[in-house]
Amino acid sequence: DAGVIQSPRHEVTEMGQEVTLRCKPISGHNSLFWYRQTMMRGLELLIYFNNNVPIDDSGMPEDRFSAKMPNASFSTLKIQPSEPRDSAVYFCASSFKAEANTGELFFGEGSRLTVL
Amino acid sequence: TQLLEQSPQFLSIQEGENLTVYCNSSSVFSSLQWYRQEPGEGPVLLVTVVTGGEVKKLKRLTFQFGDARKDSSLHITAAQPGDTGLYLCAGVGGRRALTFGSGTRLQVQP
Repeated sequence: DAGVIQSPRHEVTEMGQEVTLRCKPISGHNSLFWYRQTMMRGLELLIYFNNNVPIDDSGMPEDRFSAKMPNASFSTLKIQPSEPRDSAVYFCASSFKAEANTGELFFGEGSRLTVL
Repeated sequence: TQLLEQSPQFLSIQEGENLTVYCNSSSVFSSLQWYRQEPGEGPVLLVTVVTGGEVKKLKRLTFQFGDARKDSSLHITAAQPGDTGLYLCAGVGGRRALTFGSGTRLQVQP
C-alpha cells in the first residue's frame, strides 16, 4: 500500500510568492496532520483534521497560513505571502483511530521549503 | 501548552556502547510514543507506552513510562551504526494531537 504522499519534495521560492503544499493521506485514515520541522523549534503541529474537519489549528503561525481538506484523500497547506522564516520541512501525517490524538502517525517524506 | 523536553540533545557514541535518552514533562499524558527519524524521511513509530510504570522491549531498545505518566526513557544496549537517527518522544493527552519533544540526535560511530 502507498504511504502518505506529499508534493513537492523540494520547493525554492522568493519572498512574497504563494506556496502550496499537497498531501494524500493513506486510504482509510480518518485524521490528517500538518507539522513543520526546523532545527530551532523541532517538530511543531500546525493543524489537524478529523473526518475532513479542522479540529485544532492553534499551531498555525498567522493568517498567511491556511489549510484545507476538501475530501478524505487530499489536503493542502498554503502560505501566502511566503517569508524567509517559513523555510522548513513540512510534514503531512495521517492516522486511523476513533480518537484522532491516540493513533500511530504515518508520516510522508516531507516537503522542504526554502524561501529566499 | 504541553512541553516535552528531551535530553541529551546530541549524543555521539561508539558502536557497542549503551545509552539512555530521557523525555520529561510537567504534564500528564495518557500515553507516550517514541519515533525515530532518519535523514530525508518522516518519523517512524517505534513504540507506544500507555500504563504508568510500563516497560516495553524492542530487541535492543527498552522503553519505560514513568509511574506518574509525565516522563519516559529509551535505553539502547550495544548500540549499532544502524541506530543512528533522531529520536523523538511524543505525548498524547487532552484534546490536542500528538505533541513532540525536542528530539535527541544520536550518532553511532563504527
